Amino acid sequence: NAGVTQTPKFQVLKTGQSMTLQCAQDMNHNSMYWYRQDPGMGLRLIYYSASEGTTDKGEVPNGYNVSRLNKREFSLRLESAAPSQTSVYFCASSEANQPQHFGDGTRLSIL
Amino acid sequence: DAKTTQPPSMDCAEGRAANLPCNHSTISGNEYVYWYRQIHSQGPQYIIHGLKNNETNEMASLIITEDRKSSTLILPHATLRDTAVYYCIVRVHSGGGADGLTFGKGTHLIIQP
Repeated sequence: NAGVTQTPKFQVLKTGQSMTLQCAQDMNHNSMYWYRQDPGMGLRLIYYSASEGTTDKGEVPNGYNVSRLNKREFSLRLESAAPSQTSVYFCASSEANQPQHFGDGTRLSIL
Repeated sequence: DAKTTQPPSMDCAEGRAANLPCNHSTISGNEYVYWYRQIHSQGPQYIIHGLKNNETNEMASLIITEDRKSSTLILPHATLRDTAVYYCIVRVHSGGGADGLTFGKGTHLIIQP
């Protein structure tokens, strides 16, 4: 049982490049989430998806787009990467009113 | 969601009980207290949660005061592997929709050998 799988684990981009962070869960959860974590800080919610076909903005959505491809997969896209988006990105999934399960993160550096 | 206040860091000797405090004085009646921890470079790991009764599982115990304005996470026999940042989070249990977690800076617990 893999839980929440994120790819890639590491990525370096140049300013202005685009990329998509992938997340997949095998726990049949309805809800999925994307967070970012900057050094010395707690996680901040970027976007979430309550169920397949729905997405909503979190605390820090600017500069990002998301796609809930199916029940298992929730991707995060940076259309034009900026140095301020250098961070560690975590995906999570859960059922309603249950604990969230997190992946091991994608470490993204933007030069 | 209500905000929480935690000490930035704590030390504990290996084998002793680690008691991590959290203040949540503005907690609402329908908000649960959740604890997660984050071991260096890994994703947060769920530990325990509760509403108003004390809770215990294989990882820890959660003591919530009667007025629910504060709580304590107890790791009964701390080991070096318990060194991590511990987050206390209050969270509404909604009617079925998703809700993100609000993380503060947490408490960096260092277990000393």
